[in-house]
Amino acid sequence: AQRVTQPEKLLSVFKGAPVELKCNYSYSGSPELFWYVQYSRQRLQLLLRHISRESIKGFTADLNKGETSFHLKKPFAQEEDSAMYYCALMRYQKVTFGTGTKLQVIP
Amino acid sequence: DAGVTQSPTHLIKTRGQQVTLRCSPKSGHDTVSWYQQALGQGPQFIFQYYEEEERQRGNFPDRFSGHQFPNYSSELNVNALLLGDSALYLCASSLDGRFYNEQFFGPGTRLTVL
Repeated sequence: AQRVTQPEKLLSVFKGAPVELKCNYSYSGSPELFWYVQYSRQRLQLLLRHISRESIKGFTADLNKGETSFHLKKPFAQEEDSAMYYCALMRYQKVTFGTGTKLQVIP
Repeated sequence: DAGVTQSPTHLIKTRGQQVTLRCSPKSGHDTVSWYQQALGQGPQFIFQYYEEEERQRGNFPDRFSGHQFPNYSSELNVNALLLGDSALYLCASSLDGRFYNEQFFGPGTRLTVL
């Protein structure tokens, strides 16, 4: 069974500080991994996916198969980054989400 | 394009009743997935519909059923409601075959079972 673990329910950082949101997964095959974000009073939306190796809003995420991790990072946090972040794994059209981490950026 | 729409916004039912939730996908999308999100949890995959058939299913009992119509809209039905069915129900649409099938989510339907 596929599983996604986000160990932190809440992460508070000061504006300008680095951010790292942790995500670990359990799946024996080659996973398709994503980060979704939900800003206050907005819908859940895709932030980035591992296959694209893209940087969105300054965020990046590297897939580490050895550690089965897909941590989300940003070098300098901004107040507008405050939101709920979900790591997700997709296999055969079935998506498994983590429990989410609330990022709070303190001005 | 209004994106993914869901109705109703809120719903209150009592135990044992049946409920139907509705979802209209984003224009051009042909695949609909349903999720249940309990308070403080991440969304849990219920099932996905494509070409009017259930293509994939999560760990939910048969009380949860669905349907997809020729216009790609979808319904989620839950029979014999339990208190534990109280949650936010999310619908997401995507275009089958598109690069990694990016899903677009609706605002959700908040179901309360008393």
